[in-house]
Amino acid sequence: GENVEQHPSTLSVQEGDSAVIKCTYSDSASNYFPWYKQELGKRPQLIIDIRSNVGEKKDQRIAVTLNKTAKHFSLHITETQPEDSAVYFCAASIEGATNKLIFGTGTLLAVQP
Amino acid sequence: DSGVTQTPKHLITATGQRVTLRCSPRSGDLSVYWYQQSLDQGLQFLIQYYNGEERAKGNILERFSAQQFPDLHSELNLSSLELGDSALYFCASSVGPGGEAFFGQGTRLTVV
Repeated sequence: GENVEQHPSTLSVQEGDSAVIKCTYSDSASNYFPWYKQELGKRPQLIIDIRSNVGEKKDQRIAVTLNKTAKHFSLHITETQPEDSAVYFCAASIEGATNKLIFGTGTLLAVQP
Repeated sequence: DSGVTQTPKHLITATGQRVTLRCSPRSGDLSVYWYQQSLDQGLQFLIQYYNGEERAKGNILERFSAQQFPDLHSELNLSSLELGDSALYFCASSVGPGGEAFFGQGTRLTVV
């Protein structure tokens, strides 16, 4: 069935360091891969997404890479700041069919000042 | 503010009871998704509606049901509630079967 694995479950970095979160999806038909940031008690918010026709996408300090062959995608945050501390979820879906998001289990990122 | 409105924000009820959670999608969005978030299960997809029709179903219990009305708002009905149903229930919407999904602020359900 559809499954998204996410690692690590927790990540602690020093302010200014980089953080990398990795995900693997099972459904080869997946073509849309968003990343959501969720602060404690709040709703998930999209921070970046990538589609299967692109290998990499950047937005300021955030970048996402996709390896379709290996069914891996990763989130890279550079120059981390304390306000980056949150839970990050990767997800995979099939756009044009249902677009239901299958989420990874989340990564709790703690950026130490 | 995502434009997706969920009511109520908090709900406390007893085991065995039935509750209804309501979601108003962003203006113009035709797709509505329901997710359950509990501490040990992450964000679990429950069900999706597109323009009034059920589009996809996840691991939704038989005690749970949902519908999308002609004005595109959606309701999630949870019956015969159990302690384990306590969770944060999110609604999300998107324009169609693709693109960014915007989440509401969630309904925190506590079953006692």
